[in-house]
Amino acid sequence: DQQVKQNSPSLSVQEGRISILNCDYTNSMFDYFLWYKKYPAEGPTFLISISSIKDKNEDGRFTVFLNKSAKHLSLHIVPSQPGDSAVYFCAASHNDYKLSFGAGTTVTVRA
Amino acid sequence: NAGVMQNPRHLVRRRGQEARLRCSPMKGHSHVYWYRQLPEEGLKFMVYLQKENIIDESGMPKERFSAEFPKEGPSILRIQQVVRGDSAAYFCASSPELAGGYEQFFGPGTRLTVL
Repeated sequence: DQQVKQNSPSLSVQEGRISILNCDYTNSMFDYFLWYKKYPAEGPTFLISISSIKDKNEDGRFTVFLNKSAKHLSLHIVPSQPGDSAVYFCAASHNDYKLSFGAGTTVTVRA
Repeated sequence: NAGVMQNPRHLVRRRGQEARLRCSPMKGHSHVYWYRQLPEEGLKFMVYLQKENIIDESGMPKERFSAEFPKEGPSILRIQQVVRGDSAAYFCASSPELAGGYEQFFGPGTRLTVL
């Protein structure tokens, strides 16, 4: 069963604009959420996380928003840069180590 | 400080053979996690190990798959009598402590192809 869903397989955005990636989850027990970034032939790299007690976390150009009532989170990248072109995975956890991943969204930043 | 190392990066096996995937965690990390990514899907948790202990193997198929993390040496994910459905990317991750509040650091993965 797919407990974490990323319904947009791809996103194309112009350099300098905002990228918004969405993620929905079904398990109300999830209490920690993470975003990972993955380049081809590499493993996922941690990007940013948020605890369920918060609704926003910001780190430089990256901001994650959590809407628990809607079981929805999003990642905003502002401004988007060519180096942001990668696959982004949303992940969630309710027991500290067993991460459940979405299928990923491929972001392409156009010059 | 070297990251998580996995080898081989690519592994080709014929049906019925055995596959051994190795993972060396980051220096100072004592927790290892294995994930599998099938085509067009996200990573799926398989097993969580500490040195000489399997903590949670709830994501491991009941047959043919086993994992270990010995006192010395890398963690090993072993798949016996491989079938075509085992073809996937296998990622190992490590963390210094239980990963709550800490991100897991991932290796580059081993891409297994079963002919």
